Amino acid sequence: DAKTTQPNSMESNEEEPVHLPCNHSTISGTDYIHWYRQLPSQGPEYVIHGLTSNVNNRMASLAIAEDRKSSTLILHRATLRDAAVYYCILRVYNTDKLIFGTGTRLQVFP
Amino acid sequence: DAGVTQSPTHLIKTRGQQVTLRCSPKSGHDTVSWYQQALGQGPQFIFQYYEEEERQRGNFPDRFSGHQFPNYSSELNVNALLLGDSALYLCASSYRRTGDRQPQHFGDGTRLSIL
Repeated sequence: DAKTTQPNSMESNEEEPVHLPCNHSTISGTDYIHWYRQLPSQGPEYVIHGLTSNVNNRMASLAIAEDRKSSTLILHRATLRDAAVYYCILRVYNTDKLIFGTGTRLQVFP
Repeated sequence: DAGVTQSPTHLIKTRGQQVTLRCSPKSGHDTVSWYQQALGQGPQFIFQYYEEEERQRGNFPDRFSGHQFPNYSSELNVNALLLGDSALYLCASSYRRTGDRQPQHFGDGTRLSIL
């Protein structure tokens, strides 16, 4: 299974943008890049996903490098509620199996 | 619209016992996946059920088994419990289709403690 590498932790101040990086150098051409986050005492929550092009939704933006070996999750204005563990996941085409790493713990300060 | 619901929320068992965890998928979803999350770790895929059959399986022993019912709900069974089975067990549901799979929706899990 293809793997992802993320920093263990990051910090941000409230209302500032946050860029969460992810490396996935062994990604194959058909793997989708998914991001989930997990708030304390909750199950993981879907954030965004993409294949090749940058993606935007109401929660975040996903910037994918041209060679697809890395990606960045962008939270445009961090809030205290965004404090969570963020997981970058490669989802193999045509399967539902998600391979989680240890993720990045994001702390947001007022 | 109810999301994914799991029961019970907490459970305490002793070594050697058997346990059954339950999951009701989000309305409209037909696929259920189960994950084990040890403390401080990311979730690990156990298996997935679709059309009442196990479709994919992670690296877990046969002590872990499951079932999916006609209404798409699912059970996870673990036999001969070990101390190492203590974890948060997460259920995720999705709507199956080819190509770009729909995102999975997770429940808040069942916390299983083995004494």
